[in-house]
Amino acid sequence: DQQVKQNSPSLSVQEGRISILNCDYTNSMFDYFLWYKKYPAEGPTFLISISSIKDKNEDGRFTVFLNKSAKHLSLHIVPSQPGDSAVYFCAASGAGGGADGLTFGKGTHLIIQP
Amino acid sequence: NAGVTQTPKFRILKIGQSMTLQCAQDMNHNYMYWYRQDPGMGLKLIYYSVGAGITDKGEVPNGYNVSRSTTEDFPLRLELAAPSQTSVYFCASSYDRESGNTIYFGEGSWLTVV
Repeated sequence: DQQVKQNSPSLSVQEGRISILNCDYTNSMFDYFLWYKKYPAEGPTFLISISSIKDKNEDGRFTVFLNKSAKHLSLHIVPSQPGDSAVYFCAASGAGGGADGLTFGKGTHLIIQP
Repeated sequence: NAGVTQTPKFRILKIGQSMTLQCAQDMNHNYMYWYRQDPGMGLKLIYYSVGAGITDKGEVPNGYNVSRSTTEDFPLRLELAAPSQTSVYFCASSYDRESGNTIYFGEGSWLTVV
């Protein structure tokens, strides 16, 4: 019973174009969403987050959009750069007040092609 | 700027052996977590702690134990190693819910049980 779903295991995008990574969730108690980036043999690193009271949050080349009615969020990377090639995890919290950790999706492997 | 430090980085165990994965954070974070990541899967929460002396089970606690005697340290104990515990283990910490529950991860510990 996956509460956070990333349905695309991989995504290939040309350098300079927009990368769009999608995430769906089923638990309506989630109220905080995060994106993590992970390189091989390293721990996940925090990228960007959004609270359920917002529908958009922007940080440089990264923008996260939240559609609560559809229980869907997306991460936009513009323009995509070679260093963006990594696995991206969508995560959510809120059902337990946040103290009991995050629920993660399985990740999407983003490949930026030159 | 150490952040979250895990040791060892790599370990091979025989079935039935026991070991402790060490985790320390120097950010004075209240919350600490242990996750495991199996190939092609997202991170799953094993145990978490909201402060010294307080621990609680996550999604997959069977076969593990934890303790939190200080704010800084959160060791994970495997008592009778089984092949199903072959995984990558990540320790993490966060300050509190008001900081957005952003969780910071260590670099991971690769454990193989043979």
